[in-house]
Amino acid sequence: QKEVEQNSGPLSVPEGAIASLNCTYSDRGSQSFFWYRQYSGKSPELIMFIYSNGDKEDGRFTAQLNKASQYVSLLIRDSQPSDSATYLCAVKLEGGANNLFFGTGTRLTVIP
Amino acid sequence: ETGVTQTPRHLVMGMTNKKSLKCEQHLGHNAMYWYKQSAKKPLELMFVYNFKEQTENNSVPSRFSPECPNSSHLFLHLHTLQPEDSALYLCASSPTGTGDQPQHFGDGTRLSIL
Repeated sequence: QKEVEQNSGPLSVPEGAIASLNCTYSDRGSQSFFWYRQYSGKSPELIMFIYSNGDKEDGRFTAQLNKASQYVSLLIRDSQPSDSATYLCAVKLEGGANNLFFGTGTRLTVIP
Repeated sequence: ETGVTQTPRHLVMGMTNKKSLKCEQHLGHNAMYWYKQSAKKPLELMFVYNFKEQTENNSVPSRFSPECPNSSHLFLHLHTLQPEDSALYLCASSPTGTGDQPQHFGDGTRLSIL
């Protein structure tokens, strides 16, 4: 079982719609969760981080964490073509100081 | 400007060459990381340095040798690499090396082994 799993996509949504990206993780004791955006040929860029159950909003982005179900999601409201990128989920697992594991990423395409 | 600068951006080398990748961070962080990113695979953590001390080595082959002279600079020395080592190598930094703080990435070095 992979530590962090994401649907590789591609996920296509029309401009203005809500894009929903999901991530599940294997370690129930995980405490820290991150979403990164990576444009083709570029480095990962931090979008959001969340530590507590519930929702965290920042502009058009909302991270949702459900530790009981072991998933974290990222919602992008009013999707724009510039949001087209690969979104990486990263989870700090228990059992080590630096056990930050990344998913393979979900490719999002926003269609104008 | 990402705050984390990597050089070179692209590197092509033969299997018998020796080269080094350089990373410099201007964010005042105390932890630095090397990651390998291959197609269709998740980012793989290679090494972690926290306050110049190596705290993680995720079973990386000895043909990769890291060096961290201070909290702002990180090197990855390469020798006798294999074709499967071709990948994007990313450097990152964070305030401390506990893994629960956001990491800031450089633009990476695209490495191709002939």
